[in-house]
Amino acid sequence: DTAVSQTPKYLVTQMGNDKSIKCEQNLGHDTMYWYKQDSKKFLKIMFSYNNKELIINETVPNRFSPKSPDKAHLNLHINSLELGDSAVYFCASSPTWGLEEQYFGPGTRLTVT
Amino acid sequence: AQKVTQAQTEISVVEKEDVTLDCVYETRDTTYYLFWYKQPPSGELVFLIRRNSFDEQNEISGRYSWNFQKSTSSFNFTITASQVVDSAVYFCALCAGNTPLVFGKGTRLSVIA
Repeated sequence: DTAVSQTPKYLVTQMGNDKSIKCEQNLGHDTMYWYKQDSKKFLKIMFSYNNKELIINETVPNRFSPKSPDKAHLNLHINSLELGDSAVYFCASSPTWGLEEQYFGPGTRLTVT
Repeated sequence: AQKVTQAQTEISVVEKEDVTLDCVYETRDTTYYLFWYKQPPSGELVFLIRRNSFDEQNEISGRYSWNFQKSTSSFNFTITASQVVDSAVYFCALCAGNTPLVFGKGTRLSVIA
């Protein structure tokens, strides 16, 4: 069974479009995250939700909007896509918020043309 | 502010050699956790180890070992008798206080047959 899953795995789209990436975890964790990994492999947190509540919102353009319908899901919607949004987006989860290891999904490679 | 430095950008070794990946961290918190993650060419992020700030015992898991030294703020990772399958990007990360996980920039390890 996949612990943290993301769909789609690859996403190619044109500038200006709106797209969503879905994330689901079946670990029973309370906390979920979105990370962006740029072309240089640098990983940076974007958002974190704990029990469906937003607790971290780093300096991310407001074109990015996370939504957590329940504890097991954290989706990422991106409006008006730009070339600079091209990256790999990782979803992760951890048992609770705080000093615990995070388990990552397989990543979604987004390419904006 | 929390910071993780992985000074080695890329390392190449010949199979069966031992290799150590360096990680230096900065934090003012007395309670924190350190992590190592592996990102193989397939792209997923694999959790390897978590170590809390109060436990300076070295850890060994098969060919992997970790050396945590608070005196030098380092949490180094050694692979003994490296194998081609160890080729990956390795990330060190720090979690302290109520701040999110902070990753180093990663070290790309290439093990040549």
